[in-house]
Amino acid sequence: DAGVTQSPTHLIKTRGQQVTLRCSPKSGHDTVSWYQQALGQGPQFIFQYYEEEERQRGNFPDRFSGHQFPNYSSELNVNALLLGDSALYLCASSLKDRLTKYIQYFGAGTRLSVL
Amino acid sequence: DAKTTQPNSMESNEEEPVHLPCNHSTISGTDYIHWYRQLPSQGPEYVIHGLTSNVNNRMASLAIAEDRKSSTLILHRATLRDAAVYYCILRPSGGGSNYKLTFGKGTLLTVNP
Repeated sequence: DAGVTQSPTHLIKTRGQQVTLRCSPKSGHDTVSWYQQALGQGPQFIFQYYEEEERQRGNFPDRFSGHQFPNYSSELNVNALLLGDSALYLCASSLKDRLTKYIQYFGAGTRLSVL
Repeated sequence: DAKTTQPNSMESNEEEPVHLPCNHSTISGTDYIHWYRQLPSQGPEYVIHGLTSNVNNRMASLAIAEDRKSSTLILHRATLRDAAVYYCILRPSGGGSNYKLTFGKGTLLTVNP
């Protein structure tokens, strides 16, 4: 049973560019959340997608956008990259089931470096 | 979101029990207490969660104070693979803000052989 998979594992971009990160949820999961983790900090919630719609959003600018596809996979897009966007981007999936919906399963992340 | 306070770091010896504390004095009556851990070069991993009663699973035990203002994650026999950052998180129940996890800086646990 594959867990949460993210691609690519590493990425280098320059300021002003745009980037797309991809996530495939754990088999059977229908909800995807994205987090940003700066070095030495805990992950910060960006947004969550369910039924192809953004259900909740954290304190991130509109440069951060996302999408969920019918197969539940998801993309995170960041426009006009800033140096401060350099971080580990984590995807987490969960299942909208009464007993387990609040347990999130994380991928290993995509390390984004902005130069 | 209610705030949690954890020590920055703790050290343990292999095969000894580890008690990781978390203070959450502003917890509300409907906040669940979640623990996640993050091993090096990996994403966070769910460990355990509870509301009022102590909880046990194959990974750990969660002891919750009677007034719920603090909790302790217990690893019964630490192994080198338990070396990680441990996060104590309060998750509101009900609608609205109950989907996200709000991470702090966590406790870095070092396990000595």
